[in-house]
Amino acid sequence: GAGVSQSPSNKVTEKGKDVELRCDPISGHTALYWYRQRLGQGLEFLIYFQGNSAPDKSGLPSDRFSAERTGESVSTLTIQRTQQEDSAVYLCASSLDHGDYGYTFGSGTRLTVV
Amino acid sequence: AQTVTQSQPEMSVQEAETVTLSCTYDTSESDYYLFWYKQPPSRQMILVIRQEAYKQQNATENRFSVNFQKAAKSFSLKISDSQLGDAAMYFCAYLGGANSKLTFGKGITLSVRP
Repeated sequence: GAGVSQSPSNKVTEKGKDVELRCDPISGHTALYWYRQRLGQGLEFLIYFQGNSAPDKSGLPSDRFSAERTGESVSTLTIQRTQQEDSAVYLCASSLDHGDYGYTFGSGTRLTVV
Repeated sequence: AQTVTQSQPEMSVQEAETVTLSCTYDTSESDYYLFWYKQPPSRQMILVIRQEAYKQQNATENRFSVNFQKAAKSFSLKISDSQLGDAAMYFCAYLGGANSKLTFGKGITLSVRP
């Protein structure tokens, strides 16, 4: 597609429920990244995919967080048993190769856990 | 580990004036890339400018230019002829070697006074 697409745009969920966030990268971009941004804060790295393998999962905050990617296409970030501290904007980005020319970001999913 | 520091949380500039946003970083690598991203209220992260560390010449994109001081590990962004549409959060970011990911500073909120 023309840009990175994320869905849903906004999600309100009850504490303890599972949520799935979706990211459609730009066609042809081999690398895909997930970041978390708490209100008024910087971007916190979660996970990086090169193709459908994840060489760097170091940012996932707990085992409640997982992500997968199908080939060089769609990625899903799953948060199980959501907690209030999971409330944030989750941003996805994609890039050619290693991102030397920068990443293209989606508009994010705002997750609110009540 | 690489760190990116933006020590000014907020700045304000008069429309048509010039403003400089500061950024410092820490790394032991010699080859890397530096970026400035803009995030308006729409949440979309927009690439403003990119600098390759091995190039001494400072990058310029229209009204945006950088002052890259490699020895001092400093990478400031200058916005000339500020416009109301420049109001946003600005993030400085670092990208190192293969399989690395963008590391962001905490950001700075820029307001533009009419």
